[in-house]
Amino acid sequence: GDSVTQMEGPVTLSEEAFLTINCTYTATGYPSLFWYVQYPGEGLQLLLKATKADDKGSNKGFEATYRKETTSFHLEKGSVQVSDSAVYFCALSPSNDYKLSFGAGTTVTVRA
Amino acid sequence: DTEVTQTPKHLVMGMTNKKSLKCEQHMGHRAMYWYKQKAKKPPELMFVYSYEKLSINESVPSRFSPECPNSSLLNLHLHALQPEDSALYLCASSQNRGGQPQHFGDGTRLSIL
Repeated sequence: GDSVTQMEGPVTLSEEAFLTINCTYTATGYPSLFWYVQYPGEGLQLLLKATKADDKGSNKGFEATYRKETTSFHLEKGSVQVSDSAVYFCALSPSNDYKLSFGAGTTVTVRA
Repeated sequence: DTEVTQTPKHLVMGMTNKKSLKCEQHMGHRAMYWYKQKAKKPPELMFVYSYEKLSINESVPSRFSPECPNSSLLNLHLHALQPEDSALYLCASSQNRGGQPQHFGDGTRLSIL
């Protein structure tokens, strides 16, 4: 079945550091890919998405590119802030399907 | 600001109580979802409603009873819960059952005494 694997955390960074969270997936066909972020005490917010190969999703300085050849959707940000401290979930959904398969989540802490 | 509103934000109840969680969206979405999230884990799907009809039940115990009174509202009725049911309960919506992305509310944090 479909699955998502993302890098183990926790990840601790200093402000203005570069952030990468690796995400790889297993799926048949052409799934849509997502990054969700969960700030402390809140629900999940959609951070960015990509629906086909080579699409780049971007939002709030974060970027991820849908790489079909490597089945990856790595999240990157060039200069993190304390406010980026959160849990980040990579997720996929098969085409035209309600199912949303999540990775285990990566906790990111940014120190001032 | 989230476009999916959940109430209450926190709920503490005993194992013999009956309570309800509420979810509301005004985005015109026709699919709504309930998820359960334990600490440090990803959300787990419980129920899917499509056009106000229950479409998917992921083998959830009968002590959880969903209801969709209209296209904007989704309830989760709770009765005789167990301590292991303590979790964050998230509601989500999407344009239709096969549509993505899903938009999540901030959740209700439930504690069972």
